[in-house]
Amino acid sequence: DIQMTQSPSSLSASVGDRVTITCRASQSISSYLNWYQQKPGKAPKLLIYAASSLQSGVPSRFSGSGSGTDFTLTISSLQPEDFATYYCQQSYSTFFTFGPGTKVDIK
Amino acid sequence: EVQLVESGGGLVQPGRSLRLSCAASGFTFDDYAMHWVRQAPGKGLEWVSGISWNSGSTGYADSVKGRFTISRDNAKNSLYLQMNSLRAEDTALYYCAKSSHSSSSLGAFDIWGQGTMVTVSS
Repeated sequence: DIQMTQSPSSLSASVGDRVTITCRASQSISSYLNWYQQKPGKAPKLLIYAASSLQSGVPSRFSGSGSGTDFTLTISSLQPEDFATYYCQQSYSTFFTFGPGTKVDIK
Repeated sequence: EVQLVESGGGLVQPGRSLRLSCAASGFTFDDYAMHWVRQAPGKGLEWVSGISWNSGSTGYADSVKGRFTISRDNAKNSLYLQMNSLRAEDTALYYCAKSSHSSSSLGAFDIWGQGTMVTVSS
């Protein structure tokens, strides 16, 4: 099975900061990588699909990059509503493994 | 409005069964694969099972294989998860999610329900 790791597991940042979250797959997954945002008590929300495609309605401050085994999610200027947990997910194999998550909170 | 509404969760004893349902609206249900994802209290997301648009292909996480069965009724715009031989470690919030693809092995999960809680305890 494909294993997903994320770093850091948590981070503290201020409004306006540039934030980067890394996701790594245990084997090459081409560009079959998605990113989700989850706020407390809410369902996850799709942000980025196919590594770098912005889901409709998602602000352009979110971007994704990478291919193969290494991927990044970047928030160019952190906004108050962006404080949440972020998960990567591989869609290369049927098992759709999620990463363990990165919690972004207020510094 | 595109919407997924789960139901059927509750408190159940270990070894017993439960059937979850997910009602879809606002999109052409039989164009897309559907999935179940769960989240144990305070933990991350775990993909549980997926089914293709026409029920021709299904997939299961190793943790539920042989105990859970996914199915769908396109005439009723509904997705189901039959859960048998439940264990304490199945305790979680179960989300229904729409795929962006018709195949159960491709795509991203672009629409999610609010979840239904399953608690397995004696």
